[in-house]
Amino acid sequence: DAKTTQPTSMDCAEGRAANLPCNHSTISGNEYVYWYRQIHSQGPQYIIHGLKNNETNEMASLIITEDRKSSTLILPHATLRDTAVYYCIVQGGSEKLVFGKGTKLTVNP
Amino acid sequence: NAGVTQTPKFRILKIGQSMTLQCAQDMNHNYMYWYRQDPGMGLKLIYYSVGAGITDKGEVPNGYNVSRSTTEDFPLRLELAAPSQTSVYFCASSYLGQGAGEQYFGPGTRLTVT
Repeated sequence: DAKTTQPTSMDCAEGRAANLPCNHSTISGNEYVYWYRQIHSQGPQYIIHGLKNNETNEMASLIITEDRKSSTLILPHATLRDTAVYYCIVQGGSEKLVFGKGTKLTVNP
Repeated sequence: NAGVTQTPKFRILKIGQSMTLQCAQDMNHNYMYWYRQDPGMGLKLIYYSVGAGITDKGEVPNGYNVSRSTTEDFPLRLELAAPSQTSVYFCASSYLGQGAGEQYFGPGTRLTVT
């Protein structure tokens, strides 16, 4: 079973920041938080990952709380092409990647 | 680089038929994976490989077989297809192990068994 809890769906206005929350209260010390997204039945696409520090790349920012029990993926300026299902995944070591149902983000014009 | 490629894109099988889903990657990744995704659900791991000649079962391996004779290729074999195997199949690869690096996914194969 997935170790994370995400809202089923969210909406965001185009050009605004999209903030996608994820709860992972049972995360252990050696586990990373990964974010992937899947656009309309294409293969999932890696976005970002982190251990305990906040991370930023060209696609998004990842904010992890100090106790590591939750995190937020931020898309700073959402576009229509960001409409997708976003998966928050906790894994570490040799564990297998476990996808839950994710959050369906709809970016509205 | 082409990344991860999968063939065919679509396939319809009759119950009891067999087929091989092809997957290839040109990134020299040691790790490769097969997932299936049923409608409205997340991905489930079928089999994975940590290198040529080494494969292991994932969460839902029954009804499937794999082989890894080269670093580049990781075919998935369906024997005696059943309607329960109707799904979208994704192949993925990664440089590092599952807990340590991102995975790159192919475009998927949509399989219908009737």
